[in-house]
Amino acid sequence: QVQVVQSGAEVKKPGASVKVSCKTSGYSFISYYIHWVRQAPGQGLEWMGWINPNKGDTRYSQKLEGRVIMTRDTTTTTVYMELTSLRSDDTAVYYCARVRGVGTADSWGQGTLVTVSS
Amino acid sequence: DIQMTQSPSSLSASVGDRVTITCRASQSITGYLNWYQQKPGKAPELLIYAASSLQAGVPSRFSGSGSGTDFTLTITNLQPEDFATYYCQQSSGMPLTFGGGTRVDIK
Repeated sequence: QVQVVQSGAEVKKPGASVKVSCKTSGYSFISYYIHWVRQAPGQGLEWMGWINPNKGDTRYSQKLEGRVIMTRDTTTTTVYMELTSLRSDDTAVYYCARVRGVGTADSWGQGTLVTVSS
Repeated sequence: DIQMTQSPSSLSASVGDRVTITCRASQSITGYLNWYQQKPGKAPELLIYAASSLQAGVPSRFSGSGSGTDFTLTITNLQPEDFATYYCQQSSGMPLTFGGGTRVDIK
């Protein structure tokens, strides 16, 4: 069965970077884009961007362009999301999700809480 | 960007009730509309895709309808496990955007 498993919670200081992993299994890794979505405490869902695991091309939200980097490792079927120059308002749960078609997220990771605090 | 507006933002209902949540897009998205359920501390789960198609494994008391700019999620015979927050999301164009969510709690 399809599984999407993320790395554990992180605590970072303002200005630092964080890298979250998203390990997939149970399906053809190169056949589905992976999207990242974040959710600040008590807030709604914010789309961050996607990576095409086949070619490695990416697209990021305008808001995060320049601070977010998505990569993949086809040998371990893992996708990574790195966010740099962290600020307090980056505190959120970060989700990766397998997406089918143009934008239907049908399998989600369990989420990774990133806390940015001095 | 396409703005998605959900209403109401919250509602109280009883087990067995019929619940309707609406989602409006700022421009036509034809049928590119998905609905997700999120329980506290958990990741969202896909309920409905392409406006009206039920995701595998989702109970048939959930249904979706609409096209263009106006969409509806209906839950008939509300069950205790349905108390959660529901989000609509458009996949017509990038960036993907979500509605603000509708919290369904126990009356």
